[in-house]
Amino acid sequence: GENVEQHPSTLSVQEGDSAVIKCTYSDSASNYFPWYKQELGKRPQLIIDIRSNVGEKKDQRIAVTLNKTAKHFSLHITETQPEDSAVYFCAASRTFGNEKLTFGTGTRLTIIP
Amino acid sequence: SAVISQKPSRDICQRGTSLTIQCQVDSQVTMMFWYRQQPGQSLTLIATANQGSEATYESGFVIDKFPISRPNLTFSTLTVSNMSPEDSSIYLCSVEGGREGYNEQFFGPGTRLTVL
Repeated sequence: GENVEQHPSTLSVQEGDSAVIKCTYSDSASNYFPWYKQELGKRPQLIIDIRSNVGEKKDQRIAVTLNKTAKHFSLHITETQPEDSAVYFCAASRTFGNEKLTFGTGTRLTIIP
Repeated sequence: SAVISQKPSRDICQRGTSLTIQCQVDSQVTMMFWYRQQPGQSLTLIATANQGSEATYESGFVIDKFPISRPNLTFSTLTVSNMSPEDSSIYLCSVEGGREGYNEQFFGPGTRLTVL
């Protein structure tokens, strides 16, 4: 089955700086890669996702890049703000047949004012 | 995205008892998923529930411990049976988003379970 590794487990950055979280996956058939943000005591919220037919996707201050050859994808947050502090989870899945999401272990991001 | 509610939002239970968690969606969905999130951990899929068929359980989870019902396209229940303190977790249901070619899932607010 799919295995998703996520690094780092914790990350602290100064407000205004950029943050990068990286994930690797094992199943070469995976073609869908979402990122979720979970604030303390809240449910995970989908913030951005990418399919394998594109290499990069951007939505305002967040972007995701995908390298299918190397089987890794990354979340980039620019101009970080205190409200970006949360736990971020990457995930991977196929979009046909076995459709379950496999989650990474999570990254606790802290933005230092 | 769909509006998902769960009941109860939290509960404190005694060892050996059972708790049934309800998940309600405001639109019809084919697949519903049940996850467990232990304190400070990631999300672990317990099972996938399709309407009209038996739930599909992931490795390490069995129907006797986590029976699931899926009576219609908007509702599902997960029962945590014969509970022990190790079952203390947040339990979340999720549903598929429905975009063609995507597999995004949207989560309910979760049920925080504490077993004494």
